[in-house]
Amino acid sequence: AQKVTQAQTEISVVEKEDVTLDCVYETRDTTYYLFWYKQPPSGELVFLIRRNSFDEQNEISGRYSWNFQKSTSSFNFTITASQVVDSAVYFCALSERTDSSYKLIFGSGTRLLVRP
Amino acid sequence: GAVVSQHPSRVICKSGTSVKIECRSLDFQATTMFWYRQFPKKSLMLMATSNEGSKATYEQGVEKDKFLINHASLTLSTLTVTSAHPEDSSFYICSARVHRVMNTEAFFGQGTRLTVV
Repeated sequence: AQKVTQAQTEISVVEKEDVTLDCVYETRDTTYYLFWYKQPPSGELVFLIRRNSFDEQNEISGRYSWNFQKSTSSFNFTITASQVVDSAVYFCALSERTDSSYKLIFGSGTRLLVRP
Repeated sequence: GAVVSQHPSRVICKSGTSVKIECRSLDFQATTMFWYRQFPKKSLMLMATSNEGSKATYEQGVEKDKFLINHASLTLSTLTVTSAHPEDSSFYICSARVHRVMNTEAFFGQGTRLTVV
């Protein structure tokens, strides 16, 4: 069965610090997709990134970067020079190809608090 | 990105009444829509997968008669919480995938905060 684990429940950092959010997944499928979403206090989910299982290239988008390691089943998310506006709950999610609906299974989320 | 509109954003209802939540894909067709429930400070729990023109597929432990899902068109799915009770109070959020385009990201609605009093 598929599973996503975000072991860090809450992280608190001071502005401008770098922070890494961990995500470990379990799947029996060889083709799958990994996602990161941001949920600010307003509640809506904001898409950050999608990565398929065949693409292990790390990705950088501004202050955000993602490290995908199939060998350790991890898809970690790093925010560089964090800002107060980064404060939110971040969810990692997994979608398997064998599930024709491609439903997303979410981790428990990591609450990030960036203090001024 | 594609836009998913969810309405209402907040609703308060009395115990025993029913409340309907709408999820619309505004600028794309969505064959599949998903309904999630989120308790305070918790993760999103998938309730059901809604396919246009067919019955929804419910996750284990979700009462079909309690949470009625209808997906009558490629742009609209509705979730009706029937005979609501205070324990149904939660944040409900829908998402939709673009029709016939696999493995795009799921676009999420703004969510509906339901309070049953």
